[in-house]
Parts: sequence; C-alpha cells; structure tokens
Amino acid sequence: KQEVTQIPAALSVPEGENLVLNCSFTDSAIYNLQWFRQDPGKGLTSLLLIQSSQREQTSGRLNASLDKSSGRSTLYIAASQPGDSATYLCAVSMGETSGSRLTFGEGTQLTVNP
Amino acid sequence: KAGVTQTPRYLIKTRGQQVTLSCSPISGHRSVSWYQQTPGQGLQFLFEYFSETQRNKGNFPGRFSGRQFSNSRSEMNVSTLELGDSALYLCASTPWGTGAYFRGYTFGSGTRLTVV
Repeated sequence: KQEVTQIPAALSVPEGENLVLNCSFTDSAIYNLQWFRQDPGKGLTSLLLIQSSQREQTSGRLNASLDKSSGRSTLYIAASQPGDSATYLCAVSMGETSGSRLTFGEGTQLTVNP
Repeated sequence: KAGVTQTPRYLIKTRGQQVTLSCSPISGHRSVSWYQQTPGQGLQFLFEYFSETQRNKGNFPGRFSGRQFSNSRSEMNVSTLELGDSALYLCASTPWGTGAYFRGYTFGSGTRLTVV
C-alpha cells in the first residue's frame, strides 16, 4: 500500500527566504506526482505535475524535483512571500491512465511572516 | 474557461438523513473523482467515474455512492449520515490521457458537510 509522508508538518519563515518542502513515498512505481496548495477552507490548487519520466518541473518561483528510485520529491520555493502561506500537499498516482486515484501526504503548513 | 464547480458550498444535515452533492467538471473532462478531507484522516479517495462508469473505488462503506451523467457531471450520495461523515468533500476532474499525455487533476472548491 502506497504511503506518502511530508516533512516538516509545519514551517514558519521570514519573507524573502528560500525554502524546501519534502515528500517521500514508499512505492517507487509511481506514474506521476503532483504538488498542490490549499488555502484554509478551500479546495486544492495544482502547482506542478511531474511525470515519472521527468526529473523536475518549474513554474515561476516554484521548482519541483522527483527522484523515483529513492522515493522522494522536493518543492523549492524561492524568495517566499506572505501570499505563499498555505498548506502544501503532494500526491502520487500509481496508475497510468487519467482518473487513477491519488494518494496524498498529510501536507506541510507554511507560514511566511512579513 | 470555467473550473470545476461543486454545489452546494456548505451543507448542514442531521444524523440519519441522506445528502447529495454535485460536481460539474471542466468542459471536455471525462474523468471525475471524489475525495473526503478530514483533520484526522487527511484526503482520502472515494471513487472515480469515467464515461458514466465507476472505474475505481476507495475503502468507504456502501452508504457512499455516486454516479456520472452523459454530460460528465457527477453526483455523490451519502445515506444514513453519521457524525463522522462531517468533512470537506472535494471533486477533481481531468481530461482523458495516459502516460505522458496525462494532464493532472483540477479540483473544485469543495462542499463542506456538517452532520449534527
């Protein structure tokens, strides 16, 4: 059974700092990994999708890497801003076809202080 | 382009009642999945529909059911509500695609269900 762990559970940083969020998974036979952010009481916003054949994806100040063999992914946020404050979730899919279930980590609650 | 729309946004029900939640996917998306989010269990997969067929199901009791219509809109029903069913219910849609053509999931804002 796939298990996804995110470390740390919570993180508080001053504005402008670069930071790394970690995600690990127990079964390396994933097809893709997706990072989401969730604001309090809201739905999930997709940040980055990494296919199993890829090593990293970038979008603006965000960079996500994937190391399937070691079962790890990291989300790097550059020059953090108060608006980045949210819970960040990683999710892996074991299926190749669309609609395959996602297994989520518990999330990292990020607070960026002005 | 409209996103994934879930209705209603908030719902309060009494224990023992039943409830139906609705999800309209992004136009052209044929796969709709449902997830339950609670503080204790996190996000858990309920089921997934593709072209009106349930293709995948999580480990939830039979009180949880769903369906998908020909226009890809989906409904989720919970019968005989229990206090533990209080949660944020999220729906996600994706267009058809395999492997490198998979385009990821887009989630709705969710329906907050409170059972009293």
